[in-house]
Amino acid sequence: DTAVSQTPKYLVTQMGNDKSIKCEQNLGHDTMYWYKQDSKKFLKIMFSYNNKELIINETVPNRFSPKSPDKAHLNLHINSLELGDSAVYFCASSRGQGGVWAEAFFGQGTRLTVV
Amino acid sequence: AQSVTQLDSQVPVFEEAPVELRCNYSSSVSVYLFWYVQYPNQGLQLLLKYLSGSTLVESINGFEAEFNKSQTSFHLRKPSVHISDTAEYFCAVSAPAAGNKLTFGGGTRVLVKP
Repeated sequence: DTAVSQTPKYLVTQMGNDKSIKCEQNLGHDTMYWYKQDSKKFLKIMFSYNNKELIINETVPNRFSPKSPDKAHLNLHINSLELGDSAVYFCASSRGQGGVWAEAFFGQGTRLTVV
Repeated sequence: AQSVTQLDSQVPVFEEAPVELRCNYSSSVSVYLFWYVQYPNQGLQLLLKYLSGSTLVESINGFEAEFNKSQTSFHLRKPSVHISDTAEYFCAVSAPAAGNKLTFGGGTRVLVKP
């Protein structure tokens, strides 16, 4: 009964390829996020969706494109992968955007290695 | 914009000794404060949070953190650590006015030695 699940857990691919990471939450939450954790463990938000609508888009190359087919899913597509894209990508969800709804639940992460 | 500073990147500590992880933040708007823990090769788990009310918050596994508005701090403490507390700890803030995105500190690695 995983609350926030990501697939795949590990992804090794060559430079220039296009890949996708899938995320699903079964918590009934309205808001979902993608975070990137670099090799120094630094975490930074990439995107946030609320009820399938994009609400946060940080300074991320447009090779990264999130897609939310419904409010339980937020997938991340990455085109033309580069070595610097190697990182752990975390999906998260929260019930809402403020107050007691602010708590974010994280998935287990997807370790992307670009070779 | 918000920022979070965790002053210690690594804290070695002996088992059953106390530990304190320091966290300072800056923000021009009201924020919520969180501590997340990341065990090796795992995702982030919420340890505790401050949204409002009592400035001292506690977790079920013995950690506590105190919100100090004047010092813009949210330090995490545990009076007696266990080997299983070895992990990376992240302090984070979110501002509802900014879409509730979490801004994380750089993390503090706690290494508990027997």
